[in-house]
Amino acid sequence: AQSVTQPDIHITVSEGASLELRCNYSYGATPYLFWYVQSPGQGLQLLLKYFSGDTLVQGIKGFEAEFKRSQSSFNLRKPSVHWSDAAEYFCAVGANPGAGSYQLTFGKGTKLSVIP
Amino acid sequence: NAGVTQTPKFRILKIGQSMTLQCTQDMNHNYMYWYRQDPGMGLKLIYYSVGAGITDKGEVPNGYNVSRSTTEDFPLRLELAAPSQTSVYFCASSLYEGNYGYTFGSGTRLTVV
Repeated sequence: AQSVTQPDIHITVSEGASLELRCNYSYGATPYLFWYVQSPGQGLQLLLKYFSGDTLVQGIKGFEAEFKRSQSSFNLRKPSVHWSDAAEYFCAVGANPGAGSYQLTFGKGTKLSVIP
Repeated sequence: NAGVTQTPKFRILKIGQSMTLQCTQDMNHNYMYWYRQDPGMGLKLIYYSVGAGITDKGEVPNGYNVSRSTTEDFPLRLELAAPSQTSVYFCASSLYEGNYGYTFGSGTRLTVV
């Protein structure tokens, strides 16, 4: 069974500073990896996803993530944070198609606060 | 294009009452899911469906029931509500297996008192 760990519960950064949110996964084969963002009172919006190929993936809102198989990680980065990025971020992992596991498994989330 | 629509957005139930959370999608997605979100716990899968007439349990199915009579609708039924079911409930759908990513509804915030 797959699992996801987000080690940081809450991170605070200053506006304009760089950001890295950590995500470690557990899965026996090449995983399908996702980052979602949730603004207060809202549903989850897909930021980016990794299936295969280039290990550095670009997403919406200026975010990127890098898949590192050797470290079982999929960290989310942004070079310069805006106040509107304050939200909760969830990493998720899915099994390979045909593996009989249809759902995504989510981490517990990292809440990002941005200081003006 | 409405995507995934959940109703109601908010609801307060008394212990022992029952209710149905509605979820409808207009994207012709085969796969649909119900998750609950509790503070600091992430999202836990309650039930999922791979197509009309086919449903299966997820990680936390106790106290809930689902049905999938059409491709569009995937209601979640709470029988005999308990305080432990106080949570935010999200419905999601995907065209293929969830590995390709979900489209989420905006959620239903349920309080059981």
